[in-house]
Amino acid sequence: SQQGEEDPQALSIQEGENATMNCSYKTSINNLQWYRQNSGRGLVHLILIRSNEREKHSGRLRVTLDTSKKSSSLLITASRAADTASYFCATDASGDDKIIFGKGTRLHILP
Amino acid sequence: DGGITQSPKYLFRKEGQNVTLSCEQNLNHDAMYWYRQDPGQGLRLIYYSQIVNDFQKGDIAEGYSVSREKKESFPLTVTSAQKNPTAFYLCASSGHLNQPQHFGDGTRLSIL
Repeated sequence: SQQGEEDPQALSIQEGENATMNCSYKTSINNLQWYRQNSGRGLVHLILIRSNEREKHSGRLRVTLDTSKKSSSLLITASRAADTASYFCATDASGDDKIIFGKGTRLHILP
Repeated sequence: DGGITQSPKYLFRKEGQNVTLSCEQNLNHDAMYWYRQDPGQGLRLIYYSQIVNDFQKGDIAEGYSVSREKKESFPLTVTSAQKNPTAFYLCASSGHLNQPQHFGDGTRLSIL
């Protein structure tokens, strides 16, 4: 089944720097979502971008979607220690009634 | 506060035993989901339910069973047929299918 695939698998940056994570997928989608998971906890929904949207902002988060390349990116600006978590993209394929999660990017913010 | 409650947080299973994981939501959501997460991996869908008294198999349903007798509740039974049940189990809900999901804090199941 279709799956979003995040890149890189792991990322370590200094506090205050920007973090960029990418997600690629295989087939046409209705929308794409990004989630955050802190260690040992459930996922938290961050942002949803529809297939007819190119960019979306929420606080320090910026998501872009390029349907021609079947890819999305999540940018976290001015990173903080609290941003340390795993980030997952989830895609909703056209004609499918469920979303598929990728394997995630583990982000570590260094003090 | 509205949310999803999973219990217990930790669960141990003996060989040959069935165990049931609880998931309750007070968000008035129609759709509910069960996922399995293995270390360093993404989420794999076990079962999902669009509405009360209806559920469908996900990608890895073998060895698991569910029921949806009430809108608020979607318990998952890990049967003895599931040969590798050690994992982190996450329950989620959404207003309708494919809408953003709200997650519980998971149940970690281990084998004694």
